[in-house]
Amino acid sequence: DSGVTQTPKHLITATGQRVTLRCSPRSGDLSVYWYQQSLDQGLQFLIQYYNGEERAKGNILERFSAQQFPDLHSELNLSSLELGDSALYFCASSVGPTGAEQFFGPGTRLTVL
Amino acid sequence: AQKVTQAQTEISVVEKEDVTLDCVYETRDTTYYLFWYKQPPSGELVFLIRRNSFDEQNEISGRYSWNFQKSTSSFNFTITASQVVDSAVYFCALSEANFGNEKLTFGTGTRLTIIP
Repeated sequence: DSGVTQTPKHLITATGQRVTLRCSPRSGDLSVYWYQQSLDQGLQFLIQYYNGEERAKGNILERFSAQQFPDLHSELNLSSLELGDSALYFCASSVGPTGAEQFFGPGTRLTVL
Repeated sequence: AQKVTQAQTEISVVEKEDVTLDCVYETRDTTYYLFWYKQPPSGELVFLIRRNSFDEQNEISGRYSWNFQKSTSSFNFTITASQVVDSAVYFCALSEANFGNEKLTFGTGTRLTIIP
């Protein structure tokens, strides 16, 4: 158990819908990262927050957004869902933004029908 | 731009054999960090090791060992006396030390199957 929690574990929804994925980092970790894992794209970085502030953006679609709240939990919002958004979404946390090992949550498997 | 290459897509070995997973990386930074993660069939990503660019000492942890060579930009992972529980996908990853590039850039992974 990494100490990072993600809910829900599975999510099945229809095209055009909007969903919210939730992540709670390990106690004491200030950095949160979101990654997407799909068969065709592999593991791709989406976005990083550090102590409530957005720090870096990767291959994140405009239909996706995220935030980190004062209690350091984070949410990833995916809207206008398409079939291609079906993937495993991981949240990771680390104590600092630079060079620290990132510990991953169990992931949320999103299926868009 | 940073890049990680894991040329071995799939490897199968018989239990108790040794196996080495290759990882080659590209970065323009002089300060960077290298990682290995394991993804068992259950799907979670398990942290195995972190190395910074200034520490080229090889590391051994039980049956696992890592060989970091800056001259060849490689960070290879060896499992000695493999066991069925080692069956998983293994990812090598790189992060840089400059603001905005601290994300992990992953290789495509090597699927390791240990045959009993």
